Amino acid sequence: AQTVTQSQPEMSVQEAETVTLSCTYDTSESNYYLFWYKQPPSRQMILVIRQEAYKQQNATENRFSVNFQKAAKSFSLKISDSQLGDTAMYFCAFMNYGGATNKLIFGTGTLLAVQP
Amino acid sequence: NAGVTQTPKFRILKIGQSMTLQCTQDMNHNYMYWYRQDPGMGLKLIYYSVGAGITDKGEVPNGYNVSRSTTEDFPLRLELAAPSQTSVYFCASRLSNTGELFFGEGSRLTVL
Repeated sequence: AQTVTQSQPEMSVQEAETVTLSCTYDTSESNYYLFWYKQPPSRQMILVIRQEAYKQQNATENRFSVNFQKAAKSFSLKISDSQLGDTAMYFCAFMNYGGATNKLIFGTGTLLAVQP
Repeated sequence: NAGVTQTPKFRILKIGQSMTLQCTQDMNHNYMYWYRQDPGMGLKLIYYSVGAGITDKGEVPNGYNVSRSTTEDFPLRLELAAPSQTSVYFCASRLSNTGELFFGEGSRLTVL
């Protein structure tokens, strides 16, 4: 069974600084997707970034980028120029590619606080 | 552009009561999911559906039931509410061949 581990329950960063959130996963599959979701106090789950495992290039979305290390099964999220609006719970998630039952498996989350 | 709509947003139940959480999506997505999120935890899959008339259990299905009579609707039924079902429930949907899940705003359920 696949598992996703986020070892940092809470993190704090100063506004305009850079922070990296860690995520590791375990799978025997070779094709899969990885995601980072953001959950602000409003509770809405918002997709931040996604990475296809077959792509070697790390995904980037504006101030958000990932460091995908397939062999190490590591998928960290880097937030540059942190903003107060980045304060949220961040979840790493894994999903197998293909098949009829593509379930999303979540980690336990990292609570990020951006300090002014 | 409604996306995924869940009702109610908040509900308090007494032990043993029953209720249904409603979920509707207007994006013609085949796949729909119900997750629960306990305090300080990630989301756990309760049930999912890959299309109308097809449902299957996730990680934590006990105490819940679902149906999928139409593409748009995926209600979650709690038959005999227990305090262990106090949680925030999220409905989500996605297209068959992409990975992105679209979530509803969540429903906070308290069982006393």
